[in-house]
Amino acid sequence: NAGVTQTPKFQVLKTGQSMTLQCAQDMNHEYMSWYRQDPGMGLRLIHYSVGAGITDQGEVPNGYNVSRSTTEDFPLRLLSAAPSQTSVYFCASSYWASGSGTDTQYFGPGTRLTVL
Amino acid sequence: ELKVEQNPLFLSMQEGKNYTIYCNYSTTSDRLYWYRQDPGKSLESLFVLLSNGAVKQEGRLMASLDTKARLSTLHITAAVHDLSATYFCAGHWGGSQGNLIFGKGTKLSVKP
Repeated sequence: NAGVTQTPKFQVLKTGQSMTLQCAQDMNHEYMSWYRQDPGMGLRLIHYSVGAGITDQGEVPNGYNVSRSTTEDFPLRLLSAAPSQTSVYFCASSYWASGSGTDTQYFGPGTRLTVL
Repeated sequence: ELKVEQNPLFLSMQEGKNYTIYCNYSTTSDRLYWYRQDPGKSLESLFVLLSNGAVKQEGRLMASLDTKARLSTLHITAAVHDLSATYFCAGHWGGSQGNLIFGKGTKLSVKP
């Protein structure tokens, strides 16, 4: 298994440009999510999905769109990039282990985005 | 709304010493997570704590949970340089699995 993969690893955008951050997992996890990490802020939840066709907002959803057409993929779209969106973006997926009564989260390697 | 606070935010330790990182959370959370992050890397899951009084140990790290006090601790025993990293605690938020609210992290530096 490749686990959770993210592309690109690095990206530089100009203000107002749009782009899509890709996230894929091959573990057949129903739950996927996007976080952003800023210095001194920890990670903050942007959007999440509990299965194909179902998405919802997290703590900081403004400026981002998501969709989930397949179990494997969960892309994050920036419609009009702003300098405030400069951050490291992590995608995660998880499954619920009924035996342990909890979930285990797997994080991707991250995408480092700079908006000029 | 769940808020998670860690302290200290920075911790410089000598090898061989013991120390504790504290994680307070504001409202009921049915599980508490600890993660490790090395510079420029992703997050590695360390522990998931489910119930009051839960204690889990892995090597020199031991995590505990007191749901009445809304407090989790990560205790480091006889620190070694390889433990240098940033440690995050996170509480579960909302009805869906996996929605986590993170603390700001504790940057641990272990010096010889």
